[in-house]
Amino acid sequence: KQEVTQIPAALSVPEGENLVLNCSFTDSAIYNLQWFRQDPGKGLTSLLLIQSSQREQTSGRLNASLDKSSGRSTLYIAASQPGDSATYLCAVTLDSNYQLIWGAGTKLIIKP
Amino acid sequence: DTAVSQTPKYLVTQMGNDKSIKCEQNLGHDTMYWYKQDSKKFLKIMFSYNNKELIINETVPNRFSPKSPDKAHLNLHINSLELGDSAVYFCASSPLAGAYEQYFGPGTRLTVT
Repeated sequence: KQEVTQIPAALSVPEGENLVLNCSFTDSAIYNLQWFRQDPGKGLTSLLLIQSSQREQTSGRLNASLDKSSGRSTLYIAASQPGDSATYLCAVTLDSNYQLIWGAGTKLIIKP
Repeated sequence: DTAVSQTPKYLVTQMGNDKSIKCEQNLGHDTMYWYKQDSKKFLKIMFSYNNKELIINETVPNRFSPKSPDKAHLNLHINSLELGDSAVYFCASSPLAGAYEQYFGPGTRLTVT
């Protein structure tokens, strides 16, 4: 059974710092991995999608990496800003039935 | 302009009542989903419809019944509400069934008292 874990559960850093969020999954039979952002009272916004054959994806100040064999992904945020404060969720798409299995998220606070 | 919308945003009701949550997407997508996010923030798939046909039906009490009148709408009706049904319910859509990027609605926070 696929399980997705995100560590840490919460993170608070000063503005301007580079930071890394971690996601691990127990079964490497995934189709892709996605990182989402969740803002309070709003829906989830897809940030990056990495196919299982890819190693990384970049969008602006965000870079996501995927190491399928070790069951890990990281989301790197460069030069963090207060507007980056949100909960970041990772989800893997199962190879077998294309369902998304979610982590519980990392709540990120960027202090001005 | 809202891509995926849900109504209502908040719903407070008493145990035993029946309630519905509505979802609409204007993206022209074929596939829609209902997710439940519990107090520990885990999201779990409940149902998925592809072009009005049910394709995913996870282990959900049969008090929950989805209805898709057309491919742009997916409603969730809940009978005999229980305290444990309190959660945030998210609707999402994707172009097709399968491993495509999903677009989420803002969520409906359901509180059962």
